[in-house]
Amino acid sequence: AQTVTQSQPEMSVQEAETVTLSCTYDTSESNYYLFWYKQPPSRQMILVIRQEAYKQQNATENRFSVNFQKAAKSFSLKISDSQLGDTAMYFCAFMKPLGAGSYQLTFGKGTKLSVIP
Amino acid sequence: NAGVTQTPKFRVLKTGQSMTLLCAQDMNHEYMYWYRQDPGMGLRLIHYSVGEGTTAKGEVPDGYNVSRLKKQNFLLGLESAAPSQTSVYFCASTDREEQYFGPGTRLTVT
Repeated sequence: AQTVTQSQPEMSVQEAETVTLSCTYDTSESNYYLFWYKQPPSRQMILVIRQEAYKQQNATENRFSVNFQKAAKSFSLKISDSQLGDTAMYFCAFMKPLGAGSYQLTFGKGTKLSVIP
Repeated sequence: NAGVTQTPKFRVLKTGQSMTLLCAQDMNHEYMYWYRQDPGMGLRLIHYSVGEGTTAKGEVPDGYNVSRLKKQNFLLGLESAAPSQTSVYFCASTDREEQYFGPGTRLTVT
């Protein structure tokens, strides 16, 4: 079974600073995807960034980037130039194929990030 | 293009009552999913569907039933609600790896 561990229940960062959220996972699969989702108080799940396991290059989306270490099974999220709107719960998720083209997402327990003015 | 919508947004049930949550998507996606989110937890997969007329169990299926009679709709049913089913329920749909989530339904069972 896959497990996803986020070891930081809560974090805070000053506005405009950089913060890194940690995520490790355990799997025997070789083909999978990794995601970071943001959940603001509105409850909506918003995709922040994704990484395909077969790609060595780390994904980047504007101020968000990941450090993907496949051998170590580590997938951390770096947020640069933090903004007040980044305040949210952040979930790391592992996706594996279920078959017939469908996929299962396994989520970590989340990290609550607060951006301080 | 509304994406994924869920009805209702909030509901309070008494123990033993039944209800159905509706998920609708207008993106013509083949695959749909139901998750639950409990405090301090990430989302956990309840049931999923790989196409119209097909459903399968996920990680936590007990106490729930689902149906996918139309491609755009995925229904989640609780036949006899229990307090342990108090949660926020999310529906998602996809045609590839990225899952698009609905806004969630907060269900309280007293």
